Amino acid sequence: QSALTQPASVSGSPGQSITISCTGSRSDIGGYDFVSWYQQHPGKAPKVVIYDVTNRPSGVSDRFSGSKSGNTASLTISDLRAEDEADYYCSSYTTKTSLAGVFGTGTRVTVL
Amino acid sequence: EVQLLESGGGLVQPGESLRLSCAASGFTFSNYAMSWVRQAPGKGLEWVAVISGDGGSTYYADSVKGRFTISRDKAKETLYVHMNSLRVEDTAVYFCAKRGYCTGSSCSSFYGRSFDSWGQGTLVTFSS
Repeated sequence: QSALTQPASVSGSPGQSITISCTGSRSDIGGYDFVSWYQQHPGKAPKVVIYDVTNRPSGVSDRFSGSKSGNTASLTISDLRAEDEADYYCSSYTTKTSLAGVFGTGTRVTVL
Repeated sequence: EVQLLESGGGLVQPGESLRLSCAASGFTFSNYAMSWVRQAPGKGLEWVAVISGDGGSTYYADSVKGRFTISRDKAKETLYVHMNSLRVEDTAVYFCAKRGYCTGSSCSSFYGRSFDSWGQGTLVTFSS
């Protein structure tokens, strides 16, 4: 199963905004609004920061926002903070496999 | 409070079998799809298997199809994955996860949607 494509790393200074892209196809991101974003700190379990493209779970900072255009979804982190330094993974529904879910390759966010 | 506690990981040799368990609490277990997700050392996340709330539907990644079996026990509120013919490339931390951000019967299915609660993971590794 081919993973969705994310940049390996993104960095920014405290207070800046960064955007992580997640590129797929019409069989996944482009065809359905079922994109999620997970944050994972080292040695910890993943945590949802965005679900269904734009929805933010209760308790997640409003500095996290999601969007989609065509076959690419994006996660934007505003007012970057030290605690945002982590790995981020997108995931989506896909029609390419019977399992119906696919993760992105992952992006390491570094706060300079 | 939702809690998911994995167990059963350990050191194995290629070709051996292992069963992982995930004890669930804090929610109505049979109402939610559940999943196993793995992460090889230093690598990304990979869906391994998903099971519907009633256990009637199961789905597998191509990499484990025919070797792994996901199941659930409603009475024990426990999720399992039986792993046969283990390969070195199965080395990973295995997480169990609960379907989230849903209402009613939609929670019983997956369709690539989000999982809102995750266990701490259990490591499967190989001896040389």
